[in-house]
Amino acid sequence: EDQVTQSPEALRLQEGESSSLNCSYTVSGLRGLFWYRQDPGKGPEFLFTLYSAGEEKEKERLKATLTKKESFLHITAPKPEDSATYLCAVPSNDYKLSFGAGTTVTVRA
Amino acid sequence: DAGITQSPRHKVTETGTPVTLRCHQTENHRYMYWYRQDPGHGLRLIHYSYGVKDTDKGEVSDGYSVSRSKTEDFLLTLESATSSQTSVYFCAISGSGTGAGYTFGSGTRLTVV
Repeated sequence: EDQVTQSPEALRLQEGESSSLNCSYTVSGLRGLFWYRQDPGKGPEFLFTLYSAGEEKEKERLKATLTKKESFLHITAPKPEDSATYLCAVPSNDYKLSFGAGTTVTVRA
Repeated sequence: DAGITQSPRHKVTETGTPVTLRCHQTENHRYMYWYRQDPGHGLRLIHYSYGVKDTDKGEVSDGYSVSRSKTEDFLLTLESATSSQTSVYFCAISGSGTGAGYTFGSGTRLTVV
């Protein structure tokens, strides 16, 4: 059975304090790994897709990387507006995504 | 997202009553999904559709049914609401299955009392 595990559950950072979130997965043949950002009271918003080990994607202060067993979301010099829950997901077959429980990031000014 | 809307946004209902949530899209996407989100569990798939009148179960489908009579609308029905179905429900759409990820609606917060 495909599984997605995210750690830590919560992360509290000071503004400017860089850190990383982890997403580990077990799937039978990876067909992509997705990162989403979710703000309170809203639906998840797509950030990145990674398809192969070694691939990296960047968007502002966020950088996602992928290995054969896990993905990292690096937050460099975060700002309070980066506070959100970050979700990762993998396709469990051609139609469906399986999501991790998410990491809630709080950045204090 | 302007291409996908959920209604209602909030609903309080009594145990034992039927409830229908609606997801409407203007993107003409083939795939539509219903998820529920609960603390500690993340997003769990309830049902999904891969075309008009083509639906299938997800991992937490008990107590739920769906219908899709036209491309733009995907309805989720709780046949007889229970307190365990108190949750936030999200609809998502995709044009290519999982190839490019999903676009999510803003969610429906359902409380069963």
